[in-house]
Order: sequence, then structure tokens, then C-alpha cells
Amino acid sequence: QKEVEQDPGPLSVPEGAIVSLNCTYSNSAFQYFMWYRQYSRKGPELLMYTYSSGNKEDGRFTAQVDKSSKYISLFIRDSQPSDSATYLCAMGPNAGKSTFGDGTTLTVKP
Amino acid sequence: NAGVTQTPKFRVLKTGQSMTLLCAQDMNHEYMYWYRQDPGMGLRLIHYSVGEGTTAKGEVPDGYNVSRLKKQNFLLGLESAAPSQTSVYFCASSQRGSGANTGELFFGEGSRLTVL
Repeated sequence: QKEVEQDPGPLSVPEGAIVSLNCTYSNSAFQYFMWYRQYSRKGPELLMYTYSSGNKEDGRFTAQVDKSSKYISLFIRDSQPSDSATYLCAMGPNAGKSTFGDGTTLTVKP
Repeated sequence: NAGVTQTPKFRVLKTGQSMTLLCAQDMNHEYMYWYRQDPGMGLRLIHYSVGEGTTAKGEVPDGYNVSRLKKQNFLLGLESAAPSQTSVYFCASSQRGSGANTGELFFGEGSRLTVL
């Protein structure tokens, strides 16, 4: 069983929709939780990170962590075609490394 | 501000050939990593380094070697390439220590390798 499981997708939504991306994890020692966004043929880039349970907002993006359920989510409000990308959850530390989910590919259609 | 730079960006090899991928970072980061990314399999860690002169195995190290002779550079070598090593390779770096930046990875743009 993988330490981090990510909803596989792919996900296709109309412009303006609310998007929910989700990951579960099994390692209760994880202390930080991150979401990376990866555009086609580019490297991943950090979108959001959090260290605690609860919600963190940044513009149209909200990261939610529930440590008791070992569940994290990324919500995108008013989704735009420019949000079309692969989203990777990551968490750690794990012996100096982050553990990644497999990614969810999102397409937002105009 | 270059960040993490990978060379080459594309390469085609024949089975059995060798090659080296170079990663350079200008952020004075202690940690550096090599990942491979295959469709449906996410990012898999090949090798990593926690400082100059150190290397360690990740989850898929077989068939690869690495060296970190200088803090800013991390080299990934394939001694005898196999078709199973056809992939996109990403280098990443991160700061050492605790605090808000722990774990944040800065990635290069990737190196696309095809082994025929």
C-alpha cells in the first residue's frame, strides 16, 4: 500500500466550476502538506503548503488538512482554463524527503 | 534568476549506451534530488543528496548512479541504458532545516530521455 494515495482523475470541468482534489495518507508522522502544480512539459511548482489541520486560503485556492482522518484536499473556486494542469499532493518529512501522490490531471473547459 | 537548470533537455540513446544528466542550482540549497516521472506513476525518487559529497538511494535507484562533488551540482548517470529507463527526469533542490521552507522543492524543467 502506498503511503500517499491521490484521486487519479482525470478531471474535466467547465469554466467557473469548483474543483476538489484529494489525497489520503497513512503515515501519521507527516507534518507538512503541500500541493504542486505541473503544467504540460514543465516541472512541478509549489502552489500551497500547510503545517496544521484546518484551512489555508490563497486567492481562489484553499488547502484543507484533516490530520485525524489523514486526508487533505485542494479546492479551486471559479476555475479558469489556466488552471488546467496536473496537481500533485506531497507531504513529509520522510527521512529528509517528501512523498508524492501520483497526480490528478485537471482540464477546465472554456 | 536561473533556479534549477537541467541539461540536456532531450536525449535519445541506444540500449547499452551511457550518459550523464547534469543539474545545477544557484540557490545555495543543501538538498538535491533526482526523480523520474512516468505516465500514471507520479514522481519516483531515484537518488538524493543531503549535502556536498553525500548521496543516498531513493525508491528506484537500480541502473543509476549519482555524484555531488560540488554543492551546486548533482549528476545522474546511466551506465548502460535500457528501454525501461525511457522517462522524464526531474532534478529538484530544497533548503535544509526547519521552518516554513522545510520540504519545499524547486524543480528543473525536466530532461526527456528515450532509450531505443
